[in-house]
Amino acid sequence: DAGVTQSPTHLIKTRGQQVTLRCSPISGHKSVSWYQQVLGQGPQFIFQYYEKEERGRGNFPDRFSARQFPNYSSELNVNALLLGDSALYLCASSLGAGLAGESEQFFGPGTRLTVL
Amino acid sequence: RKEVEQDPGPFNVPEGATVAFNCTYSNSASQSFFWYRQDCRKEPKLLMSVYSSGNEDGRFTAQLNRASQYISLLIRDSKLSDSATYLCVVGATGGGNKLTFGTGTQLKVEL
Repeated sequence: DAGVTQSPTHLIKTRGQQVTLRCSPISGHKSVSWYQQVLGQGPQFIFQYYEKEERGRGNFPDRFSARQFPNYSSELNVNALLLGDSALYLCASSLGAGLAGESEQFFGPGTRLTVL
Repeated sequence: RKEVEQDPGPFNVPEGATVAFNCTYSNSASQSFFWYRQDCRKEPKLLMSVYSSGNEDGRFTAQLNRASQYISLLIRDSKLSDSATYLCVVGATGGGNKLTFGTGTQLKVEL
């Protein structure tokens, strides 16, 4: 079975541009979470979506938005890119929204975003 | 204070050594705890969950001390392939999937 897939793998943008990152969860998983990992740091939680509804939001500005589609895939959008948005963006999928036994998260390979 | 704190390392150890990683967390209401492993330029992968009773998986032993809000990971008989960054992770309180990661501890196992 395919794991979590993300596209694109790498992306270069300039300041002020907008970017859309995509994630397909493991088949049967209904929850998708997004994380930002800056070099030298651990991943930081951005959003969680479950059954197309936002279930959690981290401490990120409104320039960051996301959505989940009926097939449980998800997009992360970042507007007005800043140099500090350069990072590895990770998507994680899980069966459920946090109930015991359903919450193990499986990470995709990430999208490496560089903002120049 | 960071929610999850770890010594960033690096820890350089010879093959066969025993190495211990420590981690503290600030939210006493946290309910779930994990160690993830992340290889260079790869995604994090779950190494093991951590339980109050302690748990072992082969050469890896994890311990949780809720009173001290302290989590540990012990790796015995370290292998070259254990070289990676080890991330201490605390799960969300009150449900939800939010994971809070430490900065990670880098391990280099050498010949």
